[in-house]
Amino acid sequence: GAVVSQHPSRVICKSGTSVKIECRSLDFQATTMFWYRQFPKKSLMLMATSNEGSKATYEQGVEKDKFLINHASLTLSTLTVTSAHPEDSSFYICSAPRDAQETQYFGPGTRLLVL
Amino acid sequence: QKEVEQNSGPLSVPEGAIASLNCTYSDRVSQSFFWYRQYSGKSPELIMSIYSNGDKEDGRFTAQLNKASQYVSLLIRDSQPSDSATYLCAVKRGGGSEKLVFGKGTKLTVNP
Repeated sequence: GAVVSQHPSRVICKSGTSVKIECRSLDFQATTMFWYRQFPKKSLMLMATSNEGSKATYEQGVEKDKFLINHASLTLSTLTVTSAHPEDSSFYICSAPRDAQETQYFGPGTRLLVL
Repeated sequence: QKEVEQNSGPLSVPEGAIASLNCTYSDRVSQSFFWYRQYSGKSPELIMSIYSNGDKEDGRFTAQLNKASQYVSLLIRDSQPSDSATYLCAVKRGGGSEKLVFGKGTKLTVNP
């Protein structure tokens, strides 16, 4: 069964609004989670590493003030897309490492459409 | 040189054939290697993980790792149309980093 969940699975919003996406690890704790973005027919792009109890680490070129990440507990990380614009429309996917080898399991993804 | 390279394909095989997917990586200290399958419009799903040289089999899937050649592959035996997807090779960097580096993926089509 699924080991990582995401909510919502799909969201449509107006330009200028903020959207929060939740990522939860199910039946295990994750001190680290990862946020990816994927545009149609393109490869996965790592946006940031979410760290429980400390600041997220952003990849080069990702605006930290636009993509706010909060890892408030050992099972929940949130990504907030602030002042969303149509170019932010994408498939956002989180992952969390589990087991001794820290195998990463992906959530089902959130499809964001900004009108 | 890109960190993780895959042939983007598309790779087309007939049903029942063996599909062979290849991946090379540049970071010699990499320790962990993964194959994910991604159906169109879905998130990646773990297929196989491999950590030591040699072969690892799981059902119709066999992962092969050769650290000396910095090469990892995935064989799919008795390919089925349901195997049609994009296969992503991922490598975990050494040095304590948990980040995965992904290849761009190989699109596989299995023809009935």
